[in-house]
Amino acid sequence: NAGVTQTPKFRVLKTGQSMTLLCAQDMNHEYMYWYRQDPGMGLRLIHYSVGEGTTAKGEVPDGYNVSRLKKQNFLLGLESAAPSQTSVYFCASGAGFSTDTQYFGPGTRLTVL
Amino acid sequence: RKEVEQDPGPFNVPEGATVAFNCTYSNSASQSFFWYRQDCRKEPKLLMSVYSSGNEDGRFTAQLNRASQYISLLIRDSKLSDSATYLCVVSGGSYIPTFGRGTSLIVHP
Repeated sequence: NAGVTQTPKFRVLKTGQSMTLLCAQDMNHEYMYWYRQDPGMGLRLIHYSVGEGTTAKGEVPDGYNVSRLKKQNFLLGLESAAPSQTSVYFCASGAGFSTDTQYFGPGTRLTVL
Repeated sequence: RKEVEQDPGPFNVPEGATVAFNCTYSNSASQSFFWYRQDCRKEPKLLMSVYSSGNEDGRFTAQLNRASQYISLLIRDSKLSDSATYLCVVSGGSYIPTFGRGTSLIVHP
């Protein structure tokens, strides 16, 4: 039982490049979330999903896209990376929306030059 | 005004001390409250849920004050291993979970 895994763990991009972050969970959770964490800002929700095939915007969705084609996977895409997207990205999953524990992945440290 | 506010600290306390953190929230319709712990450069992990009647787990006690719209976390007999950032989370109903910015705790010998 791996819980929540994230790929990759580290990445350096140049401005304008694109990439996809992969989140996978093996707990059969309906709800999945993508957050970014910046110094002094806490965790901010980018996008979330309430089930396979669904996605919704969170607090800071601009510049990101997501897809949930399979229940266990939640992908976060950056189409044209900007230095302002330098951050630590955490994926999380949970059994209930807002009312249950969220289980976090180990994070992806992204630097955009 | 941010929906969920925490004193960033750091709270610098000696081993064995008792320390308390508060977290205020603005949405009176909030239904669910949690405390998470985050170690440096690691992912957040659930410390405890906060129930209306309060919640105690060993040295940790969490309380909810709906009238004043805040939750609290009390740590008794602090250990060096308690050094971390403590995040409160407020959510409920159909609105998304909102994290506070976290309170840093440093326990020294």
